[in-house]
Amino acid sequence: GENVEQHPSTLSVQEGDSAVIKCTYSDSASNYFPWYKQELGKRPQLIIDIRSNVGEKKDQRIAVTLNKTAKHFSLHITETQPEDSAVYFCAALDQAGTALIFGKGTTLSVSS
Amino acid sequence: ETGVTQSPTHLIKTRGQQVTLRCSSQSGHNTVSWYQQALGQGPQFIFQYYREEENGRGNFPPRFSGLQFPNYSSELNVNALELDDSALYLCASSFPMEPQYFGPGTRLLVL
Repeated sequence: GENVEQHPSTLSVQEGDSAVIKCTYSDSASNYFPWYKQELGKRPQLIIDIRSNVGEKKDQRIAVTLNKTAKHFSLHITETQPEDSAVYFCAALDQAGTALIFGKGTTLSVSS
Repeated sequence: ETGVTQSPTHLIKTRGQQVTLRCSSQSGHNTVSWYQQALGQGPQFIFQYYREEENGRGNFPPRFSGLQFPNYSSELNVNALELDDSALYLCASSFPMEPQYFGPGTRLLVL
């Protein structure tokens, strides 16, 4: 079945810097890749997603890139702010199109 | 538009007991997926319901079961609770193969 690896597990940046989180997936049939932000004690919040027919997608300060050949995708956050501090999860939709398979998460800390 | 809601928010049970968790899907969504999130881990897929039928299941034992009702709300039932069942249980609603939106979760503690 699908397996998703996520790196790094923790990431500390200064306010205004960029942050990059990388994920790899195992099932080449996967075609949908969302990213979720989870603040402490809160629900996972969908922040951006990408489908396999697109190589890059941007939404203000966040962007996601996808390399289907290498089976990896990345989240890029520019001009980080303290409120970006949270745990970020990448996920891949399984071949059946039902289950999201999540990475183990990246704890992002943005210090001012 | 109403978001995904779950009840209860917290629950404490003892080993061997049974528990029922509830989820109301976002307005219009006909698909509900359930996930278990252990502390410090990513959510793990339990199962998905679409139009009142189970539409996919993860690697969870049969004591984890579910229902979906005609209004698309859903229940997760866990029998014979074990200590390792302590976790945050999340439901997510969507249309099939579309983005999944999570509820706030139910935190279950098994003593």
